[in-house]
Amino acid sequence: SQQGEEDPQALSIQEGENATMNCSYKTSINNLQWYRQNSGRGLVHLILIRSNEREKHSGRLRVTLDTSKKSSSLLITASRAADTASYFCATDFGGSYIPTFGRGTSLIVHP
Amino acid sequence: DADVTQTPRNRITKTGKRIMLECSQTKGHDRMYWYRQDPGLGLRLIYYSFDVKDINKGEISDGYSVSRQAQAKFSLSLESAIPNQTALYFCATSAEGGGPDTQYFGPGTRLTVL
Repeated sequence: SQQGEEDPQALSIQEGENATMNCSYKTSINNLQWYRQNSGRGLVHLILIRSNEREKHSGRLRVTLDTSKKSSSLLITASRAADTASYFCATDFGGSYIPTFGRGTSLIVHP
Repeated sequence: DADVTQTPRNRITKTGKRIMLECSQTKGHDRMYWYRQDPGLGLRLIYYSFDVKDINKGEISDGYSVSRQAQAKFSLSLESAIPNQTALYFCATSAEGGGPDTQYFGPGTRLTVL
């Protein structure tokens, strides 16, 4: 069963706008990661945030983590058509650190 | 990025046939994983291996088996394929544990069982 659930399932925006997607999870976590998948391809790791961190940045990506609400958000600023992809959150808990993936948010950025 | 390769990339087969999907990696990672992806269900873990002598079942191992032939090779077999095993299959690797498990994915194998 999925630990994390992304919201919304689908998001459609214009180029230049910001895109925000959220991930909620059920149990306390060690780490939360965001991955990106271009259509039919393998997932690519974007960013990792640990349970004791609240915010991280990487280029146009900003990730926040609120452990009290068991949720995270991924913000992509100034989106580009090339950002069109599915975005997955992955959480790990316990001792194995194996991530469990959510169902993803499908982002379409219109040029 | 060809660090993780999967063969074949596409396969169409018939119910009852035995199928093997292969994964190779040049990243030098100890940990390897097999996932399947179905529309609307995200990725689900089938099997994982922390080293050559360590194989573990994941969330959905029924109907599948694996073989870790070497550190760099991890194969997934469907002994008798059935239509509901039609899916996109991914192999992934990660470095030795003890911390966050960032995974590196292969390009995927699209399997269709008729």
